[in-house]
Amino acid sequence: GQNIDQPTEMTATEGAIVQINCTYQTSGFNGLFWYQQHAGEAPTFLSYNVLDGLEEKGRFSSFLSRSKGYSYLLLKELQMKDSASYLCAVFTGGGNKLTFGTGTQLKVEL
Amino acid sequence: DARVTQTPRHKVTEMGQEVTMRCQPILGHNTVFWYRQTMMQGLELLAYFRNRAPLDDSGMPKDRFSAEMPDATLATLKIQPSEPRDSAVYFCASGPAGTGPLGYTFGSGTRLTVV
Repeated sequence: GQNIDQPTEMTATEGAIVQINCTYQTSGFNGLFWYQQHAGEAPTFLSYNVLDGLEEKGRFSSFLSRSKGYSYLLLKELQMKDSASYLCAVFTGGGNKLTFGTGTQLKVEL
Repeated sequence: DARVTQTPRHKVTEMGQEVTMRCQPILGHNTVFWYRQTMMQGLELLAYFRNRAPLDDSGMPKDRFSAEMPDATLATLKIQPSEPRDSAVYFCASGPAGTGPLGYTFGSGTRLTVV
């Protein structure tokens, strides 16, 4: 089976940097994906990693270490609109499955 | 922009009633997923289809849930009989062949409340 862990909640200050961690145990790993979900809305794709290392995309970056089963999402220059749930998801290509963690609720404060 | 359309957006029903949720995938997408989201469990994969054939429904309670794709433009998720623990937001997502999650688009969800 799959096991994906991420913190339930985090709070950060506007303008700061926050790192949201995700650890996973899975078989048939084929990529790790990060989604953002605002309350009452659908998840939207943010970033992904297939190989080890850092992927940067504007204010958002994601890191992956496959040997450690570990990823993080880094959000820079936080804005109030970044307050949302951030979902870590593992893609297992053999079964074409995208399995989600329970999400980290990020609250950005003034 | 092309979008995945889910109906209804909200549904309140009494325990024991049948509930049918519908999803219109993006034209040309051959993979369709049903997810359920609750506060406690997060987003759980219930079932998915490729080219209208069910590939995996291991996440779905078989005794009361059923998922079908009567044609390429419609996917349905049915609960009969519904129970209060089925209260959740149900998301449909679709994707084209060969893209993996990069090509997935989620619908806006159906918020189901069973009283």
